[in-house]
Amino acid sequence: DIQMTQSPSSLSASVGDRVTITCQASQDISNYLNWFQLKPGKAPKLLIYRASNLETGVPSRFSGGGFGTDFIFTITSLQPEDIATYYCQRYDSLPLTFGGGTKVEIK
Amino acid sequence: QVQLQESGPGLVKPSQTLSLTCTVSGGSLSSGSYYWNWIRQPAGKGLEWIGRFYTSGSTDYNPSLKSRVTISVDTSKNQFSLRLNSVTAADTAVYYCARTIPGSREFDSWGQGTLVAVSS
Repeated sequence: DIQMTQSPSSLSASVGDRVTITCQASQDISNYLNWFQLKPGKAPKLLIYRASNLETGVPSRFSGGGFGTDFIFTITSLQPEDIATYYCQRYDSLPLTFGGGTKVEIK
Repeated sequence: QVQLQESGPGLVKPSQTLSLTCTVSGGSLSSGSYYWNWIRQPAGKGLEWIGRFYTSGSTDYNPSLKSRVTISVDTSKNQFSLRLNSVTAADTAVYYCARTIPGSREFDSWGQGTLVAVSS
């Protein structure tokens, strides 16, 4: 299976800070990568698809980039409602796999 | 907009079968071209894709679970189901159902998840 290494596993930042999360694939996955937001008790939410495309209705402070094996997810100005765990996920081939997650907290 | 809702027992005994149902509203399981997935998250761990079925009837499973998993559909109730045999404590997790639009969006819609504990 293709492994996804996501870092950091957790971070603490202030409101308004720029937050960056990285995801590295063990093999080339082209741009078949999503980013999701998970909050306890809520349905997970697709934020970014095909590595860099913002899902409809998602605030523009969220963005993604990368190709091949190295990917980046950015929140340009962290807001209190962004407290959540974020996951990358590859879908170039089966089995579909996720990164280990990044828990984002407010400092 | 499509909505998904998981349901089923919250407690299953070891060695028994875990059975969950995902009810879909705002869309039909028998029309369109979609994958319908099951995904889980053990407590304190990351997400794991379990498997999916396509509206044509084909299924794909994660090799790590394939020997124990069956995903089926009841179009009359607009529901799809997960059966996981011979469960152990390692199968304790929040279980989610989710939709995929092939060639467009992977897991674009999710249920809120349901916690299943495996314990005697």
